[in-house]
Amino acid sequence: DQQVKQNSPSLSVQEGRISILNCDYTNSMFDYFLWYKKYPAEGPTFLISISSIKDKNEDGRFTVFLNKSAKHLSLHIVPSQPGDSAVYFCAARLHTDKLIFGTGTRLQVFP
Amino acid sequence: DTGVSQNPRHKITKRGQNVTFRCDPISEHNRLYWYRQTLGQGPEFLTYFQNEAQLEKSRLLSDRFSAERPKGSFSTLEIQRTEQGDSAMYLCASSPDSDYGYTFGSGTRLTVV
Repeated sequence: DQQVKQNSPSLSVQEGRISILNCDYTNSMFDYFLWYKKYPAEGPTFLISISSIKDKNEDGRFTVFLNKSAKHLSLHIVPSQPGDSAVYFCAARLHTDKLIFGTGTRLQVFP
Repeated sequence: DTGVSQNPRHKITKRGQNVTFRCDPISEHNRLYWYRQTLGQGPEFLTYFQNEAQLEKSRLLSDRFSAERPKGSFSTLEIQRTEQGDSAMYLCASSPDSDYGYTFGSGTRLTVV
């Protein structure tokens, strides 16, 4: 039962362009959504989050959009930089502190 | 404070042996979490503590797994009679009460041979 899905295992984007990472979920009771970035041999690093009562949150080059009717969220990175190359995980919270993670999308930003 | 610290970074053990991992959270964080990540998957929740109280355990945490946080500071995760299926990255994270974006450690990679 995969409640949080990231259907694109990988994404390749040119430096300076926009990266869009997508995430779908099935449980309408999730109250908070988060994005984490992970480099090899390191733990996931918190990137940005959004409450279920909002539809957009922005932090510098990173913006997360939430479409509750479609049960879909996306992370936009503009402009993309080579240092953004990592695995990105979408996660959702269900009224407790437990997070449910997607399977991740590997982003590669090339020059 | 340099963040969440996990030891060891790597552990290779023979099937049937017991292993114990340690996690030192960020000092002012009351909440501590254990997750497990296998290849190609996202982290999966195992258990979490608020101070020394273990508040939730996943059904992934079989009888062979036990976690403690005796004084509300560091935590240990023990796996008894390890099996090859236990091979994974074990991640610890911590957060203050009101923070949703918790901080992960670098993990302990367990290989059971």
